[in-house]
Amino acid sequence: GQSLEQPSEVTAVEGAIVQINCTYQTSGFYGLSWYQQHDGGAPTFLSYNALDGLEETGRFSSFLSRSDSYGYLLLQELQMKDSASYFCAVNNNQGGKLIFGQGTELSVKP
Amino acid sequence: ETGVTQSPTHLIKTRGQQVTLRCSSQSGHNTVSWYQQALGQGPQFIFQYYREEENGRGNFPPRFSGLQFPNYSSELNVNALELDDSALYLCASSLEPGEAQYFGAGTRLSVL
Repeated sequence: GQSLEQPSEVTAVEGAIVQINCTYQTSGFYGLSWYQQHDGGAPTFLSYNALDGLEETGRFSSFLSRSDSYGYLLLQELQMKDSASYFCAVNNNQGGKLIFGQGTELSVKP
Repeated sequence: ETGVTQSPTHLIKTRGQQVTLRCSSQSGHNTVSWYQQALGQGPQFIFQYYREEENGRGNFPPRFSGLQFPNYSSELNVNALELDDSALYLCASSLEPGEAQYFGAGTRLSVL
């Protein structure tokens, strides 16, 4: 089968750093994407890793290790507005579909 | 703002009815994918269209069908609606299949 595992909930304080891990088991792999979704809103694209290593975009970084079928999203200098659900998703080479994890709900406390 | 627009934003239907949801892709994107997101879950892939042809389908029954038009906008049609079809329906566009996908705000469908 195809599955992605990520923690269901993470809590952190403003200004802190948090890492959200994602392990995957899928047939076919183009790359790993990360999305942010606020309640009732659209998933917002954060990052995409097709190759091993770290990609940095402002306060957010994403890492991929294809040999370990593992990636993570790193959020630095946390702000209250970062409270949201975060999804990892595998770009599958069977039609390019995204296979999503169940999401991690991040709560940022003052 | 991703440039992907969906209509309508909300819709209420009764069991057995049919519904059509619409999506305009971001300028320059030729690939549109549709997803269903139940409350508290991650989005589930329904199907993808690339240059007006279906380019992959998830585990959804045939009563879920779609179209892509020459301007790359797309429709999702669902026949014989069931209560479990109540969900947020998301459209995402990308430059090509396999490239990063950008989502619209979705259509919230309630089936009573």
